[in-house]
Order: sequence, then structure tokens, then C-alpha cells
Amino acid sequence: AQSVTQLGSHVSVSEGALVLLRCNYSSSVPPYLFWYVQYPNQGLQLLLKYTTGATLVKGINGFEAEFKKSETSFHLTKPSAHMSDAAEYFCAVSEGGYQKVTFGTGTKLQVIP
Amino acid sequence: AAGVIQSPRHLIKEKRETATLKCYPIPRHDTVYWYQQGPGQDPQFLISFYEKMQSDKGSIPDRFSAQQFSDYHSELNMSSLELGDSALYFCASSNKRAYEQYFGPGTRLTVT
Repeated sequence: AQSVTQLGSHVSVSEGALVLLRCNYSSSVPPYLFWYVQYPNQGLQLLLKYTTGATLVKGINGFEAEFKKSETSFHLTKPSAHMSDAAEYFCAVSEGGYQKVTFGTGTKLQVIP
Repeated sequence: AAGVIQSPRHLIKEKRETATLKCYPIPRHDTVYWYQQGPGQDPQFLISFYEKMQSDKGSIPDRFSAQQFSDYHSELNMSSLELGDSALYFCASSNKRAYEQYFGPGTRLTVT
């Protein structure tokens, strides 16, 4: 079984400040991990993914995440928040290709001017 | 690049009616997944198909059925609609070389 826990349903940061969205996962096999972003009334856009190899993965829009097996974490960061980053972010886990994706409950990011 | 296509984008139905949602995967993708996202909730896996056969099943109500056709498109059929079925329904597709699923824009179903 697989699951994802996102700490904090709402996060507020000032424009230009560091963004840190927390995600912990549970998986019975080596996981595939993802971060998706969803803007209001829109679909899910993949920010970045971890499958194997380098544990620090870089995604679009300046986001990156680090897979830490010992902590079962996959936190999302961005050095400097932009107003356009305001959206809902979902961490997700899959147990491999062709497997369903299990999503966390999401974190709404607010960027304050 | 081609993306996953879903139709219709918006659908309004009354209670007890039926609805059919369609999904056209990215070309050469052989697997389709359906997810349901209720208001303020995270997407929940419903069902998936690989090479036209059901490959996995999640929390899909018995009132719902789905299939994948020979051209790999998929349809989600929903009968006896209830108010609680109002949600955003996503389709995603993948293939062997893709570790991730590519999501469509979703169909917003409103049941009145």
C-alpha cells in the first residue's frame, strides 16, 4: 500500500521568500514520487518527478525536490517565490510504471506581495 | 506536443441521469487512468486500462463502468447520477517509456 502525507493544507510566503512544501510518503516498494501543481479550475501539471538515480531533482518554474529515503520525504522547494506560484500543490506516489498514482491532500500556496 | 484530450470539458446532468465522459490518450500511449477530484479534495483513482484490459480498480462505484477501445480511447459511463458525483474527472495516459502519467484538463461534472 502507498500513501502520502502533506504537512500544512495552507502555506503563505512573501514574494521573494523561500518556498518549502513538505511531503512524506509510505510505500512497500521503492517509490516513484511526483509533485503536481493545479491552478484554479485547471488540470494537473507535472512539476517534477523522482524515479531512480539522483536524489535531487529539478523541475519546471525553478522548483526542485530532494528524495530522502531515510526520512521518507520528498519536500518541494523554490528559492524565491513569485506571485504566479500561487496554486495548489499535490505530492503523489506510485509504485511503478502502469501503477495508479496516490495523491496527498494538497497544499495551497499563497504568495503575499 | 499532443496532450490528453477529454470531452466534454463541462457537463451538467440531473439526478438519476446518465453521463459518458471520453478520454483520448496521447498517441502511442497504451494505458489510461481515471481519477475523480471532489470539491476541495485530492484526486482519487477510479480505474485503469492497459491494452484494452482493466488493469487496476480503485474506489469506483458500481454505478460507474469504463472501457478502453481498440483505438485506445476510453469512456467512463456513469449511471443513476447522484449529487455527490459532482466532481472534476481526470483522465491520464502513459506508456512503457514514461514513468509518469500525463493528465488531461479534466471534465467538470455538475449534478443538479
